Amino acid sequence: AQTVTQSQPEMSVQEAETVTLSCTYDTSESDYYLFWYKQPPSRQMILVIRQEAYKQQNATENRFSVNFQKAAKSFSLKISDSQLGDAAMYFCAYRSGETSGSRLTFGEGTQLTVNP
Amino acid sequence: DGGITQSPKYLFRKEGQNVTLSCEQNLNHDAMYWYRQDPGQGLRLIYYSQIVNDFQKGDIAEGYSVSREKKESFPLTVTSAQKNPTAFYLCASSLLSPVSEAFFGQGTRLTVV
Repeated sequence: AQTVTQSQPEMSVQEAETVTLSCTYDTSESDYYLFWYKQPPSRQMILVIRQEAYKQQNATENRFSVNFQKAAKSFSLKISDSQLGDAAMYFCAYRSGETSGSRLTFGEGTQLTVNP
Repeated sequence: DGGITQSPKYLFRKEGQNVTLSCEQNLNHDAMYWYRQDPGQGLRLIYYSQIVNDFQKGDIAEGYSVSREKKESFPLTVTSAQKNPTAFYLCASSLLSPVSEAFFGQGTRLTVV
């Protein structure tokens, strides 16, 4: 079974600075999808960004970008110009690209604090 | 509006009782999921389903049961066999093809009293 590991239980960043959250995964598949989700205090899960493994280009969404290293099985999230509203728990997730493989596996999460 | 709805938001259960958490989606998604989240922890997969009348165990299925009689609905029953059921439960759904991200409900907080 695939595993997802987030080695940073907690991170903090100053407002307007940049922070990078780490994620590694273990899989034998070549076709898969990776996601970063944000869970603010409301506990609503919000998609931040997604990356298809077959795409070499790193995904970006406004201030959020990823560094996808397929060979190293690494998928880090960079948040630029951090804002107070970015404070949340961040989860990395893996899903197989096989139509029959809909299992979605999450990491343990990283609690991000943004200091004013 | 399209979305995924969990009910109730808060649920209290006496020890020894079964309780059912509701999850409904109108996104026409094939796959549905149930996760458990404990304080400060990640999401652990309980059960998931890709098609009506079929579902697979996740990592912590013991003490839980599900059904998928309709595409739109995926209720979770927490049975009395679940030793520590107090937790936050999240339901999600996604497309199988093309692969989409999962959309989540707002969660149900279950407390055993």
